[in-house]
Amino acid sequence: AQSVTQLDSQVPVFEEAPVELRCNYSSSVSVYLFWYVQYPNQGLQLLLKYLSGSTLVESINGFEAEFNKSQTSFHLRKPSVHISDTAEYFCAVSEPQGGSEKLVFGKGTKLTVNP
Amino acid sequence: NAGVTQTPKFRVLKTGQSMTLLCAQDMNHEYMYWYRQDPGMGLRLIHYSVGEGTTAKGEVPDGYNVSRLKKQNFLLGLESAAPSQTSVYFCASGTTGTVLTFGAGSRLTVL
Repeated sequence: AQSVTQLDSQVPVFEEAPVELRCNYSSSVSVYLFWYVQYPNQGLQLLLKYLSGSTLVESINGFEAEFNKSQTSFHLRKPSVHISDTAEYFCAVSEPQGGSEKLVFGKGTKLTVNP
Repeated sequence: NAGVTQTPKFRVLKTGQSMTLLCAQDMNHEYMYWYRQDPGMGLRLIHYSVGEGTTAKGEVPDGYNVSRLKKQNFLLGLESAAPSQTSVYFCASGTTGTVLTFGAGSRLTVL
């Protein structure tokens, strides 16, 4: 069965510092990879996704993630964070199975950006 | 606005009571899902449906039942609520190869 490991449960950083949120998954087949963000008391929103093609994917608010097949990783990075990036981030993987697709989520990483 | 709507948003139950959470989507999506979110556990799949009239078990199905009588609705039922079912429940929908759209969540407390 698929599994996703987010290596850090909490990441505190100062504003304008770089950040990396780590994600590893277990699979030997083709997968889709996602990062979702959850702001306090809200639902999940898609941040970025890897389906195929370029291994580096970017979001509109400055985050990027790189798919590394050999290391089965999909780490999320941002060169300079803002206070508004404070949220919980979830890495997820899906494995298309005959038309049905189920997302498996990691346990989440709480990013706290301090002034 | 198009999207996924969950009702109710909040509910408090006593142990042994029953209730149903309703998820409605207006995007004509084939797939619908119910997840629960607990602190430090991420989101865990309870049940899912790949089309009208079909349902399947996810990772943590015990104590829950679901029905998909109409394509746009996916109901999650608790027949006899337990304190261990205190959680935030999220519904999501999608189609093959697309990203899931999530509802805003339903916070359930079982006393």
